[in-house]
Amino acid sequence: QVQLVESGGGVVQPGRSLRLSCAASGFTFSSNGMHWVRQAPGKGLEWVAVISYDGSNKYYGESMKGRFTISRDNSKNTLYLQMNSLRAEDTAVYFCVKDHYHGPGNYFDYWGQGSLVTVSS
Amino acid sequence: QSVLTQPPSVSGAPGQTVTISCIGSSSNIGAGYDVHWYQQVPGTAPKLLIYGNNNRPSGVPGRFSGSKSGTSSSLAIIGLQVKDEADYYCQSYDSSLSDYVFGTGTKVTVL
Repeated sequence: QVQLVESGGGVVQPGRSLRLSCAASGFTFSSNGMHWVRQAPGKGLEWVAVISYDGSNKYYGESMKGRFTISRDNSKNTLYLQMNSLRAEDTAVYFCVKDHYHGPGNYFDYWGQGSLVTVSS
Repeated sequence: QSVLTQPPSVSGAPGQTVTISCIGSSSNIGAGYDVHWYQQVPGTAPKLLIYGNNNRPSGVPGRFSGSKSGTSSSLAIIGLQVKDEADYYCQSYDSSLSDYVFGTGTKVTVL
């Protein structure tokens, strides 16, 4: 069965950096695009970034551009999110999400349990 | 802020039918992008409920159905059950933003 396990969350000071990891299993990781989606405490879902199956294409949500970098290591079945210049408003649970290709708009078919990132001094 | 608008909450008695709307625009739902729906029980990760406007993944009960018309979509829960209490989100793609977008979310309460 598909499993996505995030790690690397924690408390970090404003302006500092943090890297999240997501270990994938139960499917052919190297054949699938992957996303990060976040959810601030008590708030709705916000799409963060997507990376293509081979890492050649990456796209980001507006508020993340220039600060966050999504990457992957297909030899380790692992997805990453490098977050720099963190702000209080980046405080959220970050979900690792598997992409499902769908012509008229892809969707998210499997989600990890999430990793909490708290930005606070 | 989200470009897909949902009612903050809906409620119904067990056995009743509730409907959740998802209103978009000409750059997302109205542009021909499909709508997908997710269920999130508090404290857990979202789960795919409906994909491609009206398709249910394996394991999702037939009580859940989706539809799309013009710039909006709807999720219907037929024969509401206590275990359906959760937050529900619609999702699509927006060509103006070049972003995947979520609805504002709707909390379903079973009375």
